[in-house]
Amino acid sequence: DQQVKQNSPSLSVQEGRISILNCDYTNSMFDYFLWYKKYPAEGPTFLISISSIKDKNEDGRFTVFLNKSAKHLSLHIVPSQPGDSAVYFCAAKGGGADGLTFGKGTHLIIQP
Amino acid sequence: DAMVIQNPRYQVTQFGKPVTLSCSQTLNHNVMYWYQQKSSQAPKLLFHYYDKDFNNEADTPDNFQSRRPNTSFCFLDIRSPGLGDAAMYLCATSRDLAGRGPLQETQYFGPGTRLLVL
Repeated sequence: DQQVKQNSPSLSVQEGRISILNCDYTNSMFDYFLWYKKYPAEGPTFLISISSIKDKNEDGRFTVFLNKSAKHLSLHIVPSQPGDSAVYFCAAKGGGADGLTFGKGTHLIIQP
Repeated sequence: DAMVIQNPRYQVTQFGKPVTLSCSQTLNHNVMYWYQQKSSQAPKLLFHYYDKDFNNEADTPDNFQSRRPNTSFCFLDIRSPGLGDAAMYLCATSRDLAGRGPLQETQYFGPGTRLLVL
């Protein structure tokens, strides 16, 4: 029973354009959301996060949007760069759980 | 650089032979976590330590144990590895569970140890 879902296993985007990665969750007790980026043979690296009291958080080229009513969040990367090619994990926290609940990840491929 | 270190990066063991994976951190974080990630799956929390207090997830098999001798080190012991235990094992740390906000919520991961069971 997946509580955090990333329905696109992979996404291909042209360099310079916007990349939009989506994430849905089912547990209404989640109140903090994070995006991690993972290169092959490395551990996940924290990218950006958002609290449930906000609907948007921006950090440079990365923006996360949260739609609580739809239980949906998205990560926007603009402009996309070749170094952005990686697996992106959506993760959520809350409801008394101490660990993170992860999605399966989306493999982003930036085409030159 | 402050970091989370996992050794070894690759570990091969035999079916039923106990194995220990190690994690160390220089971040001085008081919470340490172990996650298991199987191929094409999401990382799944096995347990965590809040300081010296051990917190096991309800569905973590008894075959998996952990030790934290001090703030910097945490070990994952698999007492009798089965073929189904082959996975990437990720160690993570965070600053504190008390309070909320980016400092408390963000977990920092090591590079992982890939375990192969023959």
